[in-house]
Amino acid sequence: DTEVTQTPKHLVMGMTNKKSLKCEQHMGHRAMYWYKQKAKKPPELMFVYSYEKLSINESVPSRFSPECPNSSLLNLHLHALQPEDSALYLCASSQAWRSSTDTQYFGPGTRLTVL
Amino acid sequence: AQTVTQSQPEMSVQEAETVTLSCTYDTSESNYYLFWYKQPPSRQMILVIRQEAYKQQNATENRFSVNFQKAAKSFSLKISDSQLGDTAMYFCAFMKANQAGTALIFGKGTTLSVSS
Repeated sequence: DTEVTQTPKHLVMGMTNKKSLKCEQHMGHRAMYWYKQKAKKPPELMFVYSYEKLSINESVPSRFSPECPNSSLLNLHLHALQPEDSALYLCASSQAWRSSTDTQYFGPGTRLTVL
Repeated sequence: AQTVTQSQPEMSVQEAETVTLSCTYDTSESNYYLFWYKQPPSRQMILVIRQEAYKQQNATENRFSVNFQKAAKSFSLKISDSQLGDTAMYFCAFMKANQAGTALIFGKGTTLSVSS
């Protein structure tokens, strides 16, 4: 089973709201990723967690705050977002870390709209 | 710097035909994975096929196969007997690994439309 689940599927929020995106995998993977994807563009890496520790932050603004409570769960907390943050947010997981022969599996994404 | 180039922004094909999507990449590493991911209009990114650089045999998954030319740094995807469900955006990707961790380097994507 290569399933990564994400909730919610859609989210509309105002610029003053606080919301969270959730990602879950039960494949025993030890690395989890957040990507941001604009329409008809490739995904852009935001954060990488390995063994529940933040290992990569691609200079993401602090209004995005990731959290990894356990090895199966990854959250992305959102606060004071801007309309340009509207995008599809994808979560992915992989078995290994620091291996160029690893494979990432993606969730269905959360479509975020910031008003 | 490692880069992935997909030179065909859009392609069209009719059902049952064969289509080839091109991808070139640049790296100085010796072993790595290359991937083709498919993202239908419903948006989930699905792994189509992967190729390990050390393996000379081209990977095949049902109607999907790759032509991997390591020396030329070329990794094309062939879709045989195209189906309407193959309509999607296809991303070629390369797995980069360093001390900080792993990251997928994506090409800009090719939008494939399959018509009846």
